[in-house]
Amino acid sequence: DIQMTQSPSSLSASVGDRVTITCRASQDVRNHLAWYQFNPGTVPKLLISSTSNLLSGVPSRFSGSGSGTTYTLTISSLQTEDVATYYCQQSLTVPLTFGGGTKVEIK
Amino acid sequence: QVQLIQSGAEVRKPGASVKVSCKASGYSFINYGVAWVRQAPGQGLEWMGWISSYNGDTKYAKKMQGRLTITSNSSTTTTYMDLRSLRSDDTAFYYCARCHYDFGSGYFNAFDLWGQGTLVTVSS
Repeated sequence: DIQMTQSPSSLSASVGDRVTITCRASQDVRNHLAWYQFNPGTVPKLLISSTSNLLSGVPSRFSGSGSGTTYTLTISSLQTEDVATYYCQQSLTVPLTFGGGTKVEIK
Repeated sequence: QVQLIQSGAEVRKPGASVKVSCKASGYSFINYGVAWVRQAPGQGLEWMGWISSYNGDTKYAKKMQGRLTITSNSSTTTTYMDLRSLRSDDTAFYYCARCHYDFGSGYFNAFDLWGQGTLVTVSS
């Protein structure tokens, strides 16, 4: 199974800060990497597919990059509505696996 | 409206079974498969399995095989997750998610539409 390791597990930043979350795979996932936003009481949301493809309706302050085994999600200017837990996921091989999550809070 | 609506919370005793439904609307049901993902309290996300809404082909996580059955009814656009021999560590939120699988390449797409989640509690 491909192991996905996210860092940090949590972070606290100020509104307007640039935030970066890293996801490392135990093997090359060939850009089959997605990012999701989870908020309690709301439906989970796909933000980015295939490493860097921003889904329609997702604010442009979100971006994804990476290759091989290392991928990043960046929020260029953190907003209050971005408070959530973010997960990466590889879809190269079954079982599809997720990172452990990064909880983002406002300082 | 494009959405997945799941059935309500369930409470079961250890050893029992539970069946959670996921009703799709607003899109062509057979063009996408449905995956099931769970999240135990304080834990991360675990992919359980997937079904093709087109031909009923399934893929399961190894640890779930033997206890999990995913089925699909195209006439009602509803997918079901049936988990048997429940244990306390099966207590979790269970999510369905829309997911296209390319049979040619063998790759899954990302989960672009999610249900609201169903809490299953296993307790004696």
